[in-house]
Amino acid sequence: GAVVSQHPSWVICKSGTSVKIECRSLDFQATTMFWYRQFPKQSLMLMATSNEGSKATYEQGVEKDKFLINHASLTLSTLTVTSAHPEDSSFYICSARSLAGGDTGELFFGEGSRLTVL
Amino acid sequence: GQNIDQPTEMTATEGAIVQINCTYQTSGFNGLFWYQQHAGEAPTFLSYNVLDGLEEKGRFSSFLSRSKGYSYLLLKELQMKDSASYLCASLDSNYQLIWGAGTKLIIKP
Repeated sequence: GAVVSQHPSWVICKSGTSVKIECRSLDFQATTMFWYRQFPKQSLMLMATSNEGSKATYEQGVEKDKFLINHASLTLSTLTVTSAHPEDSSFYICSARSLAGGDTGELFFGEGSRLTVL
Repeated sequence: GQNIDQPTEMTATEGAIVQINCTYQTSGFNGLFWYQQHAGEAPTFLSYNVLDGLEEKGRFSSFLSRSKGYSYLLLKELQMKDSASYLCASLDSNYQLIWGAGTKLIIKP
């Protein structure tokens, strides 16, 4: 299957600093990438949908000024958590939809990034 | 509203068969996904159904009934490594995935 690489896998930062997470589709072009967040023992929650070359669409309750999403190319989307606080500590996962998937909607997931804010 | 229901937890024995059910109500329907997620890891794709019927893929099979808004994931010859959460997700008319809360499957020797 298609490969999505997410970096970094683990990040620890001080409160008030910003953290950038990258999501790359390695062997396919992805017009749409999704960013999810998962708190312990809870289900994945969609944060935003990122379309290449346009502004991301944020889900209700997600602060767009705090979670900056950039999708500058068909293979890269970034999520920047600005002025991170301990309550932002979570597992962040990206996924991408392959153009070659015949629009089945199959999503390919990155490995996830575990953010811990001290 | 949109809703996905699946059992919170199930227990099965190694070597046995288990069926995990999922019912869905979404705005439009473009398919039903099953994902497997081990603790601390990202979900991995298991199956996709958009037509009624059973799709078999090795030890795993997935069934869909669109008229009933119902799907199940069937796992045969259970192995200890199958212990994981199994997520049911419906693709709505906007191609957004609506996720269930997941079913934690515990495999006992």
